[in-house]
Amino acid sequence: GQSLEQPSEVTAVEGAIVQINCTYQTSGFYGLSWYQQHDGGAPTFLSYNALDGLEETGRFSSFLSRSDSYGYLLLQELQMKDSASYFCAVRTSNTGGFKTIFGAGTRLFVKA
Amino acid sequence: KAGVTQTPRYLIKTRGQQVTLSCSPISGHRSVSWYQQTPGQGLQFLFEYFSETQRNKGNFPGRFSGRQFSNSRSEMNVSTLELGDSALYLCASSLPEQGAVEQYFGPGTRLTVT
Repeated sequence: GQSLEQPSEVTAVEGAIVQINCTYQTSGFYGLSWYQQHDGGAPTFLSYNALDGLEETGRFSSFLSRSDSYGYLLLQELQMKDSASYFCAVRTSNTGGFKTIFGAGTRLFVKA
Repeated sequence: KAGVTQTPRYLIKTRGQQVTLSCSPISGHRSVSWYQQTPGQGLQFLFEYFSETQRNKGNFPGRFSGRQFSNSRSEMNVSTLELGDSALYLCASSLPEQGAVEQYFGPGTRLTVT
């Protein structure tokens, strides 16, 4: 089957750096994405990795290792507004077509 | 540019009834995906449509169906509602050239089945 594993909760202090890991088991891997969702809001796209390595977008960076079926989201200079749920998502392609599978999400609590 | 819109935003139905949810994608986006979100379960993939064709379907019973129109608007239908169908239903649109990598989500429809 296809599955993604990420921690359910992470707590960090304002100004710190936090890493949210994601491991996946899928066939037809196409790429790994990350989304942020605040309570009561819709998920918003953060980043995407199709190839191994690090992608940086401002305070957020995302890493992928296809050989290890592993990726992570790195948040630097944490702010209170970063308190939200973060989802990793795998884009897959197989005989049935394309689909995106999401992890269960990591709840990030940023403390003052 | 207007974002993804979903109607209705809230819905209360009784077991056994059916419901139709609507999604209007961002102008120019031809790919639409649907997800069910429940607490602790993340987003569960329902279906993905492109140019009126269903590209893939998640592991949901046949009571869940959908379609896409020529203007890219999409609807999903759930028949014979069960209590467990209570959830937030999210629709997302994307540019197919991106392989639906970057998805833009609507605010969702909160369905409560009593």
